[in-house]
Amino acid sequence: EPEVTQTPSHQVTQMGQEVILRCVPISNHLYFYWYRQILGQKVEFLVSFYNNEISEKSEIFDDQFSVERPDGSNFTLKIRSTKLEDSAMYFCASPRDNRPNYGYTFGSGTRLTVV
Amino acid sequence: SQQGEEDPQALSIQEGENATMNCSYKTSINNLQWYRQNSGRGLVHLILIRSNEREKHSGRLRVTLDTSKKSSSLLITASRAADTASYFCATGVGLSGGYNKLIFGAGTRLAVHP
Repeated sequence: EPEVTQTPSHQVTQMGQEVILRCVPISNHLYFYWYRQILGQKVEFLVSFYNNEISEKSEIFDDQFSVERPDGSNFTLKIRSTKLEDSAMYFCASPRDNRPNYGYTFGSGTRLTVV
Repeated sequence: SQQGEEDPQALSIQEGENATMNCSYKTSINNLQWYRQNSGRGLVHLILIRSNEREKHSGRLRVTLDTSKKSSSLLITASRAADTASYFCATGVGLSGGYNKLIFGAGTRLAVHP
């Protein structure tokens, strides 16, 4: 099965610093998603991206967050000024098989620790 | 309670036994999916059931969906120690023809003892 690749696997940053999380989705997909999971809590939707534009974002996805597709294949999630409460696992996801109603392939995640 | 609540929160069984996990949700859905997560790892898609389906099988997995009760169950038969993980239900909601955002439940932590 095609993979979704995330880097780095673990990022430690100081509060107030900017971080950029990267993801290489399954190729040729128009849809793309970011989720996060605070330790011990449920996975939460952050933002969906369709055809190079944000199609939906959650309340969590405030002005500190941005998502880009800098080179046509990779996606980035940027947090401009990190807070302690941004510490979480961040997952990107692509639709499986590039078809609707077939579920999603998730990356292995980036564990962000803000100190 | 929120969309996609699972019960039990934790389940401990012996190898060979069946494990049943339940999920309830509140809003209309396009589909319901189950994912597995090993500790500290990514989410692995297990099975998807559409809103017009009632039951689906995949290997040792059996999923049911009751849209009138807004609930689903995941049955793992003949469990193995390697099935030890957290299991999440996720409801696909949205308008875009199947490419839906997912609303996750809090998960069930399954421990299968040899």
